[in-house]
Amino acid sequence: GAVVSQHPSRVICKSGTSVKIECRSLDFQATTMFWYRQFPKQSLMLMATSNEGSKATYEQGVEKDKFLINHASLTLSTLTVTSAHPEDSSFYICSASEGGSPLHFGNGTRLTVT
Amino acid sequence: AQSVTQPDIHITVSEGASLELRCNYSYGATPYLFWYVQSPGQGLQLLLKYFSGDTLVQGIKGFEAEFKRSQSSFNLRKPSVHWSDAAEYFCAVSFSGGYQKVTFGTGTKLQVIP
Repeated sequence: GAVVSQHPSRVICKSGTSVKIECRSLDFQATTMFWYRQFPKQSLMLMATSNEGSKATYEQGVEKDKFLINHASLTLSTLTVTSAHPEDSSFYICSASEGGSPLHFGNGTRLTVT
Repeated sequence: AQSVTQPDIHITVSEGASLELRCNYSYGATPYLFWYVQSPGQGLQLLLKYFSGDTLVQGIKGFEAEFKRSQSSFNLRKPSVHWSDAAEYFCAVSFSGGYQKVTFGTGTKLQVIP
């Protein structure tokens, strides 16, 4: 079955630094990838939608200069949290779709900013 | 406004007992409806979906869900719960059609006791 690999699974960084999270579709071409943020005991909130080769579409309230999304190839999208602060600590999950197919989710990245 | 609601934050059932998780939505038409399951620290797995047709849909792992238009509901059921079913369950709705941009409910955490 379709597999989405998300890396790293956990990352701890210091306040003010940037951290990059990768989302890869291993056995299919992901024309669209989605990035979500999940706070403890809460639901997933869609942050942005990225289509290969074009700029990401951010949801209202999401700072695009802070959460940089790049979808340079059909198998890789990256989310970079720039100048991270403790309030950015969260669980980030990506999902990928091939031409409107069912979403396949990565296993998430636990980001802790100290 | 478009929304999806899961009234139960936490449910505890005994192993072997039946299960019903509630989901209601608010929308002027019939949206696409999904149930996902999330194990701790993991991504989401699609259990089942409803687009149209038969209102009782079967999914993986022995789950089923019934769409009731009159009640704007899409409740998830399982006749006999196994300990491995303990997880967080999310109802999700696509108001724009397809699998793509979905809105997740707040989730219901299922605990299974021996």
